[in-house]
Amino acid sequence: AQSVSQHNHHVILSEAASLELGCNYSYGGTVNLFWYVQYPGQHLQLLLKYFSGDPLVKGIKGFEAEFIKSKFSFNLRKPSVQWSDTAEYFCAASTGTASKLTFGTGTRLQVTL
Amino acid sequence: GEEVAQTPKHLVRGEGQKAKLYCAPIKGHSYVFWYQQVLKNEFKFLISFQNENVFDETGMPKERFSAKCLPNSPCSLEIQATKLEDSAVYFCASSLLGNTEAFFGQGTRLTVV
Repeated sequence: AQSVSQHNHHVILSEAASLELGCNYSYGGTVNLFWYVQYPGQHLQLLLKYFSGDPLVKGIKGFEAEFIKSKFSFNLRKPSVQWSDTAEYFCAASTGTASKLTFGTGTRLQVTL
Repeated sequence: GEEVAQTPKHLVRGEGQKAKLYCAPIKGHSYVFWYQQVLKNEFKFLISFQNENVFDETGMPKERFSAKCLPNSPCSLEIQATKLEDSAVYFCASSLLGNTEAFFGQGTRLTVV
């Protein structure tokens, strides 16, 4: 069965620090990969997605992620975080057409001033 | 509409009562997904629809849970005889096609007391 792992459960960074959140998936076939963000009390918003093509994906708000097939990874990065990036970040994967999303357990990012 | 609309935002039910949640997908989107988020972390897939047809119901509990997407009506998720463990935030998402990203609604927080 497909699974998604996020090993960082809680990350605390100071403003302007660089961010990298890990995401690994387990599935040998073609996968679609996503990063969603959930701000406190709000719904999930899509940060970026990877379906095919360039493995370095750029998303909104200065986020990017790199798909490394050999490592089954899709880590999220941002060069300089802001206080407003404080939120819960979810990595997700799907396979095939109209497939359900399998989510990781999320990483809580706390950015301090 | 331009966003996935879920109603109500909050729902409180006594154990054993029925709960019914509604979701209006983005206009033109063919696929609807329901997810259950417990403890602010784990997202559990429940069911998906392609238009009014059930596409994948592998996540639906066999008893008490049912869902529909009828033409010209919001989709619905109904829980008969709610239990304490049904307390969660229920998210609906829609996607244009099967292989495009899903957009999430604000969620319905169900509290069973």
